[in-house]
Amino acid sequence: GDSVTQMEGPVTLSEEAFLTINCTYTATGYPSLFWYVQYPGEGLQLLLKATKADDKGSNKGFEATYRKETTSFHLEKGSVQVSDSAVYFCALSEDNQGGKLIFGQGTELSVKP
Amino acid sequence: DSGVTQTPKHLITATGQRVTLRCSPRSGDLSVYWYQQSLDQGLQFLIQYYNGEERAKGNILERFSAQQFPDLHSELNLSSLELGDSALYFCASSEQGTQETQYFGPGTRLLVL
Repeated sequence: GDSVTQMEGPVTLSEEAFLTINCTYTATGYPSLFWYVQYPGEGLQLLLKATKADDKGSNKGFEATYRKETTSFHLEKGSVQVSDSAVYFCALSEDNQGGKLIFGQGTELSVKP
Repeated sequence: DSGVTQTPKHLITATGQRVTLRCSPRSGDLSVYWYQQSLDQGLQFLIQYYNGEERAKGNILERFSAQQFPDLHSELNLSSLELGDSALYFCASSEQGTQETQYFGPGTRLLVL
């Protein structure tokens, strides 16, 4: 079945460091790919998304490119801030399964000043 | 604020009991999703409704049931509760119930003692 695999956390970085969180997926159809972020004590919120191969999603300095050849959707940010500390979830939604999201296990990011 | 509301915020109950979690979607959204977040299982899709009808089902236990009412709010009923049902339950909504952005509520934290 469909699945999403993320790099394990926690990831600890210093402020202004470069961030990469790896995400790979397995899907049978034509999935849309998402990154959601969960701040402490809150629900998830969409960070960015991409709906087809080679699309690049971007928001708040974060970027991810839909790579069909490597079945990947890695999240990157050039310079992280303390306020980026959160748990990041990679997810996919297949085109023939309603809108349900299949999530990776989440990666906790901690940014130190 | 995502526009999705969930009540109650916290729930403490005993094994064998039954509880009802409530969700009000964003104005205009026709689809509602329920997810369970636990330490050992991560974020798991439970069930999706679209305009009052069940659209997709995940690994939802037979002890769990849900419905979406004509005013589009949804309820998730959990019965014969077990210790392992302790988790954070999220509701999300989207416009059409396809591969689109989902908006998450703040969650209901259930503790079964």
